[in-house]
Amino acid sequence: QQQVKQSPQSLIVQKGGISIINCAYENTAFDYFPWYQQFPGKGPALLIAIRPDVSEKKEGRFTISFNKSAKQFSLHIMDSQPGDSATYFCAASMRETSGSRLTFGEGTQLTVNP
Amino acid sequence: KAGVTQTPRYLIKTRGQQVTLSCSPISGHRSVSWYQQTPGQGLQFLFEYFSETQRNKGNFPGRFSGRQFSNSRSEMNVSTLELGDSALYLCASSLAGGTTGELFFGEGSRLTVL
Repeated sequence: QQQVKQSPQSLIVQKGGISIINCAYENTAFDYFPWYQQFPGKGPALLIAIRPDVSEKKEGRFTISFNKSAKQFSLHIMDSQPGDSATYFCAASMRETSGSRLTFGEGTQLTVNP
Repeated sequence: KAGVTQTPRYLIKTRGQQVTLSCSPISGHRSVSWYQQTPGQGLQFLFEYFSETQRNKGNFPGRFSGRQFSNSRSEMNVSTLELGDSALYLCASSLAGGTTGELFFGEGSRLTVL
């Protein structure tokens, strides 16, 4: 019940295209859903995050869509660029009991071809 | 503002040995979390420290331990190393002001156990 399932495992997109990564969770106690971006040799960095009281959040080319009833959320990268090539992780946490404990998805390796 | 600093960046140990990894959080951050990253298991939560107290612990054996000092710097120790402990160990810091998920990761300590 603590798992977060992420798909696809890898994704190849052409420059200018839309990249879509999906995540699903079981634990309805999760109340914070961040996405992290990780480049080779670096630690993950927070990209964008959403709470379940909103259905969508947009920051520049990055948008999170959240479906509370389906217990799913997704990351959309518009106008994908080669510099977006990285591994993306969705995550979830429970503010009340977990402090900074994040449950991560398995990761999606995104490649944006020029 | 300096980021999260982890030392050493790379180390090689043999089975049965122990290892200590160090993490200096961002100035002013009082929470330090540790994660293990492997290709097979992804990112897994080890433990979190806040104000020198362990606030949360993941599902790892007792060979994995940690501590936090009064200046918020943290160390983690792994005793009786096993081959399966080979991983990237990531430290993350946060203000711990109540907003979960906003973690700032270091670049990690890559441990290889032979």
